Amino acid sequence: EVQLVESGGGLVQPGGSLRLSCAASGFTFSSYWMHWVRQAPGRGLVWVSRLRGDGSRTSYAASVQGRFTISRDNAKNTLYLQMNSLRAEDTAVYYCGRDDPGTNGIDYWGQGTLVTVSS
Amino acid sequence: DVVMTQSPLSLPVTLGQPASISCRSSQSLLHNDGNTYLNWFQQRPGQSPRRLIYQVSKRGSGVSDRFSGSGSGTDFTLTISRVEAEDAGFYYCMQGTHWPWTFGQGTKVEIK
Repeated sequence: EVQLVESGGGLVQPGGSLRLSCAASGFTFSSYWMHWVRQAPGRGLVWVSRLRGDGSRTSYAASVQGRFTISRDNAKNTLYLQMNSLRAEDTAVYYCGRDDPGTNGIDYWGQGTLVTVSS
Repeated sequence: DVVMTQSPLSLPVTLGQPASISCRSSQSLLHNDGNTYLNWFQQRPGQSPRRLIYQVSKRGSGVSDRFSGSGSGTDFTLTISRVEAEDAGFYYCMQGTHWPWTFGQGTKVEIK
């Protein structure tokens, strides 16, 4: 059974940093692109970033480019999102998701972790 | 970025009746490879999103055949043939043809 479990969320001050983790199980982690998608309170879904299975290619939404860094440790089956220079508008539930090859979509989602940026 | 526009934003439905949600994109979602990458997701209250439909009309694993998708180019529809109580929640379309991937603003399905 595919499982994705996010952790690392919490309260952080504006300008601060936080690292999210997504522990994966039930599939060959290194073979899949992985994504981060976020959802501000009461709002819709927004794609944030993606990372190729071998860690060689990344993409970011313009709103986080230069501040967020996606990475992975395939030996630990874990995806990360390093978030720096956090702003109030980064407040959201962050979901990790598994890319479904050939469908240009996400077939499995984690339960999400809440990041709150506030003084 | 491609703008995805859903309608209606709120949809009161009667149990056992059909329901439809429209999704329109600001650009054609027909990819150079010949496929159209339009997905539909369901998000029940307090839960993470769940994929219902991919590539316009293909149902995801374990998805009820009460859910169907249709459309082409810039106009797409999600149809629930007979609404059940468990269908309450938000529904989002998402395009995977153009980078960055973008979502519709969501449609709230409420049971009358």
